[in-house]
Amino acid sequence: GAGVSQSPRYKVAKRGQDVALRCDPISGHVSLFWYQQALGQGPEFLTYFQNEAQLDKSGLPSDRFFAERPEGSVSTLKIQRTQQEDSAVYLCASSSTGVNTEAFFGQGTRLTVV
Amino acid sequence: DQQVKQNSPSLSVQEGRISILNCDYTNSMFDYFLWYKKYPAEGPTFLISISSIKDKNEDGRFTVFLNKSAKHLSLHIVPSQPGDSAVYFCAVNTGTASKLTFGTGTRLQVTL
Repeated sequence: GAGVSQSPRYKVAKRGQDVALRCDPISGHVSLFWYQQALGQGPEFLTYFQNEAQLDKSGLPSDRFFAERPEGSVSTLKIQRTQQEDSAVYLCASSSTGVNTEAFFGQGTRLTVV
Repeated sequence: DQQVKQNSPSLSVQEGRISILNCDYTNSMFDYFLWYKKYPAEGPTFLISISSIKDKNEDGRFTVFLNKSAKHLSLHIVPSQPGDSAVYFCAVNTGTASKLTFGTGTRLQVTL
């Protein structure tokens, strides 16, 4: 596709429910990033893939958060046993390289945990 | 501990005038700096970047200035247009790291 595509755009989850957020990066982009943006804040890094390899997961807030990119293209961010503090916009970005280049962002998935 | 700070949460500028958005950072190891623009319900859009080997980069109405000694970055938009109204984030990246560290954003409103 022309840009980074994320689905769903909006997700409401009951506390304790598991959710899966999908990201389709720009075709051919080897690098893929997940960010979390809380209300009124800037995006905060969660994790980074180069092709299928997860090279950095230092930003994942707990072991309830898990990301994968098994074939080096589509990625899924999974949150288990969601809690209210997980409510945020989850942004996916991709870039042609990981270093000193701009990343292109999707529209995000707004997760609300009730 | 905020490594990237945008101390002005909002800015209002008249159409045609210059908008100046500021950003301060703490880590002298940062060597690549970017500005992103974000409209409501959309993801951030890349605007302009600068490497630490430069002190200025210009692209049309947008110019980014880097003052390494002061660890300060600014974005100038001239002339400002109503379509520039958005939230602007500065972001930094080290040469060896993959992740961007963002500021908290400045909401720019360009009035008629």
